[in-house]
Amino acid sequence: EDQVTQSPEALRLQEGESSSLNCSYTVSGLRGLFWYRQDPGKGPEFLFTLYSAGEEKEKERLKATLTKKESFLHITAPKPEDSATYLCAYYGGSQGNLIFGKGTKLSVKP
Amino acid sequence: DTGVSQDPRHKITKRGQNVTFRCDPISEHNRLYWYRQTLGQGPEFLTYFQNEAQLEKSRLLSDRFSAERPKGSFSTLEIQRTEQGDSAMYLCASSWPGQGAQETQYFGPGTRLLVL
Repeated sequence: EDQVTQSPEALRLQEGESSSLNCSYTVSGLRGLFWYRQDPGKGPEFLFTLYSAGEEKEKERLKATLTKKESFLHITAPKPEDSATYLCAYYGGSQGNLIFGKGTKLSVKP
Repeated sequence: DTGVSQDPRHKITKRGQNVTFRCDPISEHNRLYWYRQTLGQGPEFLTYFQNEAQLEKSRLLSDRFSAERPKGSFSTLEIQRTEQGDSAMYLCASSWPGQGAQETQYFGPGTRLLVL
């Protein structure tokens, strides 16, 4: 069964301590890998879409990369306001619904 | 463009009651999705509309759930005879079919349902 697995489940960083979140997938014929940020009690906020291995996208302190089997979300010099749950997802189903991982809960302490 | 909106934001109901949620997508988006999210999990797909046509339903969508999008604009999700297991965040997303690559789904703030 196609699936997406995120690790770690939770990550605690000090402000300025760079790290990476992992999203591994087993789906064949990937039609897009998505990263979202979700704050408590709110809907997911779109960050990036990656379509092919080797692709990279950046936004402020975040950079997303994609290989044939996994995607990484690199966070450089994080700030407390980066604290959130980060979700990755890919297109599943015939009509384009997203299949999500369980997310990585990031906490950045000042 | 005010984004996807959902109403109500919170709903508390007693087991056995019916509830209805509303989603207003981004105005030019013709695709609308409903997802359900429980604590510690990612969103799970429930159903999908293109314009007013409901094109796909997840097996998670039991016969107590019904969704409509009568004029291809806003959508409603109704849960009949609610059960405690229905307690979750119900998320709506909308998109516009992209040219070539897959389009991006934009999510609303969600409706938090608590069934007592």
